[in-house]
Amino acid sequence: GAVVSQHPSWVICKSGTSVKIECRSLDFQATTMFWYRQFPKQSLMLMATSNEGSKATYEQGVEKDKFLINHASLTLSTLTVTSAHPEDSSFYICSAEGGTGGTDTQYFGPGTRLTVL
Amino acid sequence: GENVEQHPSTLSVQEGDSAVIKCTYSDSASNYFPWYKQELGKRPQLIIDIRSNVGEKKDQRIAVTLNKTAKHFSLHITETQPEDSAVYFCAASITGTASKLTFGTGTRLQVTL
Repeated sequence: GAVVSQHPSWVICKSGTSVKIECRSLDFQATTMFWYRQFPKQSLMLMATSNEGSKATYEQGVEKDKFLINHASLTLSTLTVTSAHPEDSSFYICSAEGGTGGTDTQYFGPGTRLTVL
Repeated sequence: GENVEQHPSTLSVQEGDSAVIKCTYSDSASNYFPWYKQELGKRPQLIIDIRSNVGEKKDQRIAVTLNKTAKHFSLHITETQPEDSAVYFCAASITGTASKLTFGTGTRLQVTL
């Protein structure tokens, strides 16, 4: 298995509100999931590594209090953007490690386009 | 940390021709090199990967070569088709628990009729 889903696919919210994005591995268990951010016509920027049952590891420059990550089960990780502002508008993509490719192989979700007004 | 450079940033080829995209990496400890294809607004899809114990891997029209000494790896697409048009990303990581991928900047491939 190597199917990863993400919900919602797009969301529009007002400045100051919080938005939760879910990432699920549908046909395999993933001890580790990753959250990326992608700006138009740019590469994927790793935000954090999400480990089941433990705290996430954030990349340098990513505010952990603003981007809350929870990985409560082997098939679900959530990213909550707290007090969202227009500069948080972006394409957020998760990936799950494992599946048919084995360890180290990452399979990506379809992404969530966040627009903050 | 790891740094991955990717060239060219854009590539236009005629249908049926071959396309080659090259990446270099900085960390000699990196040992896993996947390639992803991303169509506009879609998820990156793994198309092929190679590990450092292998020099070349092929899957139908797609092949990847790895030169560990020079720290570079390349994606080769033969007999290109219009549906090959997309952005291609190379990446590198060190295998192990929660191995982080470092991505290249991407190559926009356009296959013209």
